[in-house]
Amino acid sequence: NAGVTQTPKFQVLKTGQSMTLQCAQDMNHNSMYWYRQDPGMGLRLIYYSASEGTTDKGEVPNGYNVSRLNKREFSLRLESAAPSQTSVYFCASAQISSYNEQFFGPGTRLTVL
Amino acid sequence: AQSVAQPEDQVNVAEGNPLTVKCTYSVSGNPYLFWYVQYPNRGLQFLLKYITGDNLVKGSYGFEAEFNKSQTSFHLKKPSALVSDSALYFCAVRKKAGGTSYGKLTFGQGTILTVHP
Repeated sequence: NAGVTQTPKFQVLKTGQSMTLQCAQDMNHNSMYWYRQDPGMGLRLIYYSASEGTTDKGEVPNGYNVSRLNKREFSLRLESAAPSQTSVYFCASAQISSYNEQFFGPGTRLTVL
Repeated sequence: AQSVAQPEDQVNVAEGNPLTVKCTYSVSGNPYLFWYVQYPNRGLQFLLKYITGDNLVKGSYGFEAEFNKSQTSFHLKKPSALVSDSALYFCAVRKKAGGTSYGKLTFGQGTILTVHP
C-alpha cells in the first residue's frame, strides 16, 4: 500500500516548456487534489476532482490543466511554464463523502528558469 | 469563503516545556478542522482532526487540539515538547457539507515550530 505517489520528484524547465506531473493513489479514494506550496503562503489549491470524470478549479488554476484519467490517477499539466510556477507541488486524495482527512504525496519540486 | 489564520510565523520552545501553535478559522456553518505536520523535504502528514463532539481532540505523537466555537479557534498543543517535534505545522478547515467549497481544504500559511534542547 503505497498511498499517494508522485512523479517526478524534481524537475527543471525552461520558460515556455511543457510538462505533466503524475499522481496516483491506491486507497480507492474518490477525490483528488493538486496544491502548490510557496514560502509564507501555505498550500493553495490549484485543481480538484471530486470524483472520476469531474474536475473543478481551485484558488490558483491559471496556467494549469488537469486530467482525471481514472479513479487512481490525476495529472497536472503546465502547457507553457513560467518562472512564477516555480514551486513545490503536492497531490492529495480523500474520501469526500465522509469527514476523512486528505492524504498527501511526497511532492514535486519544480524550477522554471 | 473559508479562511484560516496562523498568527505566528514561528514558535520557539525549550524541550520539555508545553507548546501551543495557534489557529483561527472562518467558515460558514460548522467546520471540520485539521492539523498537519511537514518535515523538511516531505509531504504533509495528518496529526488530528475535529469533526464533532468533545472539544479536546487527541492525535498522533502526543499532540492535542482544542476546538473553541465562540473564539473560532483550534489551537494545537502538546504538554511536553521534543526536539523531534521541530517542523512546519499547518491548520486547515473545510465545510461539513454543501456549497461550492464542499470537500475543499483551506490551509493556513504555516507555523515553524523549533524546539531547542
